[in-house]
Amino acid sequence: QSALTQPPSASGSPGQSVTISCTGASSDVGGYNYVSWYQQHPGKAPKLMIYEVSKRPSGVPDRFSGSKSGNTASLTVSGLQAEDEADYYCSSYAGSNNFVVIFGGGTKLTVL
Amino acid sequence: EVQLLESGGGLAQPGGSLRLSCAASGFTFSGFAMSWVRQAPGKGLEWVSAVSGSGGNTYYADSVKGRFTISRDNSKNTLYLQMNSLRAEDTAVYYCAKGYGDYGLSPCDYWGQGSLVTVSS
Repeated sequence: QSALTQPPSASGSPGQSVTISCTGASSDVGGYNYVSWYQQHPGKAPKLMIYEVSKRPSGVPDRFSGSKSGNTASLTVSGLQAEDEADYYCSSYAGSNNFVVIFGGGTKLTVL
Repeated sequence: EVQLLESGGGLAQPGGSLRLSCAASGFTFSGFAMSWVRQAPGKGLEWVSAVSGSGGNTYYADSVKGRFTISRDNSKNTLYLQMNSLRAEDTAVYYCAKGYGDYGLSPCDYWGQGSLVTVSS
């Protein structure tokens, strides 16, 4: 299975909204509602921000939202704050009879 | 408070073996899937393996299938990753992560701080 495709970088000013895309195929993103998004600050472990396309774990601000259309999932960060600057990774179920998880290459979000 | 503490990383020679352990606390260990995810220096995340809460179902990335074995001891609240036939491309920080649910490929809601594995002669 190939990695999911994310833009290498994204940016926005404080208070703005930014959307990060994650493109896969019908065998992964398009085939299952099991897309997750992780935030990772430098030198830190990843943090789960979104699971099952659009659900937020407790403690994650509602400024973070997820969606999916066809083979592309999206993470939107509204009301950008300085602490949102981090790497963001999408992941998805993949496969048919042999299930695995695949990640995107990551997107560096810069708050200008 | 959920805590995941990895150990067992270090330097291994190509073709060698290492076993990673992850001691878990703060939750009912047997009730949740567990995963290993790695990150090569300066690179992105790569899913390695997962196991269901009971240990009855295991899953592997193609890149490690046949070389790595995931297991868990629910009586000791510990997750393991036995890594054999190591290659230079296995060099990475290995994270232990707790699944959000019991099913094997649950998204990971808590992560350890990682254990560095370096494969080099």
